[in-house]
Amino acid sequence: QSVLTQPPSVSAAPGQKVTISCSGGRSNIETKYVSWYQHVPGRAPKLLIYENNKRPSGVPDRFSGSKSGASATLGITGLQPGDEADYYCGGWDSGLSNGVFGSGTKVTVL
Amino acid sequence: EVQLVESGGGLVQPGGSLRLSCEASGFIFSDFWMTWVRQAPGKGLEWVANINQDASEKNYVASVKGRFTISRDNVKNSHYLQMTSLGAEDTAVYFCASELTTLGAFDVWGRGTLVTVSS
Repeated sequence: QSVLTQPPSVSAAPGQKVTISCSGGRSNIETKYVSWYQHVPGRAPKLLIYENNKRPSGVPDRFSGSKSGASATLGITGLQPGDEADYYCGGWDSGLSNGVFGSGTKVTVL
Repeated sequence: EVQLVESGGGLVQPGGSLRLSCEASGFIFSDFWMTWVRQAPGKGLEWVANINQDASEKNYVASVKGRFTISRDNVKNSHYLQMTSLGAEDTAVYFCASELTTLGAFDVWGRGTLVTVSS
């Protein structure tokens, strides 16, 4: 059971927008930075968002992150077939003293 | 080129042990925390353990405490995960990762090494 909760799946047509939520608590999301990862099975995960809303160099601005209280959100606009992947939120839990990932969300482009 | 390469995975019997390695290149290894993350078949990512620059601080997820030990050798630019008392629940692809330019987030990952615990 993951400490951070995400919806199992989201889907939309090409060009549309999807949002993925990540719910946690005071010991993680509310007081710590949130990051987001894209993972295609069989490949290494890729960092999309760090420090809640910053994009590493090379990540398109179609990807955005936000945080409010104990919840965070990843937004993907202009959905493309290549965006089909599993997406995870992540961060640190000060109560557990270990890193944590969300349960993961599968994005399907219809 | 910044790179992390895992090795040491394989098939091991329940109750057995295995040592994973992660060799780094392209950056000053001794300056950074290193982390192990795993993904069991059909499951999500799970943070496993991390170690700081001089190995004075180590953290573990509860499910591996007392069974897994993380270590590093800054001369060899490598860090390790010694796994003992392995069970089926430890079957997973194990990734090493680091936070080079993004504090608290993993911007560099290896491709993973598969550990299968089965008789």
